[in-house]
Amino acid sequence: DQQVKQNSPSLSVQEGRISILNCDYTNSMFDYFLWYKKYPAEGPTFLISISSIKDKNEDGRFTVFLNKSAKHLSLHIVPSQPGDSAVYFCAASAFRTYGQNFVFGPGTRLSVLP
Amino acid sequence: SQTIHQWPATLVQPVGSPLSLECTVEGTSNPNLYWYRQAAGRGLQLLFYSIGIDQISSEVPQNLSASRPQDRQFILSSKKLLLSDSGFYLCAWSTGTPNTEAFFGQGTRLTVV
Repeated sequence: DQQVKQNSPSLSVQEGRISILNCDYTNSMFDYFLWYKKYPAEGPTFLISISSIKDKNEDGRFTVFLNKSAKHLSLHIVPSQPGDSAVYFCAASAFRTYGQNFVFGPGTRLSVLP
Repeated sequence: SQTIHQWPATLVQPVGSPLSLECTVEGTSNPNLYWYRQAAGRGLQLLFYSIGIDQISSEVPQNLSASRPQDRQFILSSKKLLLSDSGFYLCAWSTGTPNTEAFFGQGTRLTVV
């Protein structure tokens, strides 16, 4: 049972345009959401996050939007660059008595075409 | 600053052989530590996580085990590898406090032949 879903396995975008990556979650206990970027044969690197008390967080070209009622978040990259081509993982976290757990989605492969 | 080291980077092991992957974190104390696996074409599956020495939670029943002999050392082991154990193994750490991110090592590509 997937608690974090990324329904688009892949996405292709033209350089300079906006990339929108989507993520849905099912567990209402999640209160912190993260996006990671991963290149082949490397570990994921943290990109941006958002707390459940906010609906938007922006960092340079990257913006994450959270819709709690819909249990949906999205990552916007504007403008997209060829170096953004990677697999993007959405993750959700819930702080528990026994530590902090991170649940990842299956990932979306973004290809930014020059 | 904090750093995480994971080794080896690649490993080819025969079926039935043992496994030991090591992960160490520097620059922080009492981190939460994690082992994830990424199977080919799939997402990141949490295998084990630990909030302290000898405090390990297993998320998925499998052929693997984990140990934390020291505060900043996390070891993933198997007594006998299966073909299905092939994958990309990732160690990660976090502070364990609310609203913080996890930081990943470079990963180990394990191929069981």
